[in-house]
Amino acid sequence: DAGVIQSPRHEVTEMGQEVTLRCKPISGHDYLFWYRQTMMRGLELLIYFNNNVPIDDSGMPEDRFSAKMPNASFSTLKIQPSEPRDSAVYFCASTGLNYANYGYTFGSGTRLTVV
Amino acid sequence: GENVEQHPSTLSVQEGDSAVIKCTYSDSASNYFPWYKQELGKRPQLIIDIRSNVGEKKDQRIAVTLNKTAKHFSLHITETQPEDSAVYFCAASMNNFNKFYFGSGTKLNVKP
Repeated sequence: DAGVIQSPRHEVTEMGQEVTLRCKPISGHDYLFWYRQTMMRGLELLIYFNNNVPIDDSGMPEDRFSAKMPNASFSTLKIQPSEPRDSAVYFCASTGLNYANYGYTFGSGTRLTVV
Repeated sequence: GENVEQHPSTLSVQEGDSAVIKCTYSDSASNYFPWYKQELGKRPQLIIDIRSNVGEKKDQRIAVTLNKTAKHFSLHITETQPEDSAVYFCAASMNNFNKFYFGSGTKLNVKP
């Protein structure tokens, strides 16, 4: 398996623009998580899905952030409009009931810079 | 909710020495405790984990201990090597499918 795949790896955008981050979980994993990592706040859980259904979105900072999982192999995290304080590395991670001994597998992350 | 505290924030050791990183958690319902290693510019990767029904787990040079009564767990790395240099994160969870509460990270520097 290729692991959790995220795109793009790097994104530079201007303040006010819409940004869409993409994630493909490991096949067979039925849990998907979006995390944000910054120096100040560390690793923060934004939202997670089980069987494509959002379970907990309490970590989503505000209405500018939205996430979807239209099917088992694809999820998006959208920021509209983007602001400089959204600059961070965004990680997607997946796991599943059949993988109970292995914790999360993280993707390579998307480094977002909003100027 | 759960609160995980991690110490120290930075740790510098000489190659061959041991390194110990400690974490405490607040929610007695937490029962799964993974440790992740993150090299510069890369993804966090699971290196070892422990469940609350076990007091200690070892994998080659890495071991994790858990004290449920005191609500703390520790990562032990023996015979450290320069390639062990990275940021290490502890986490606590009610299970490995639920949200993980991460510690703030420990930057380990192993000097050759």
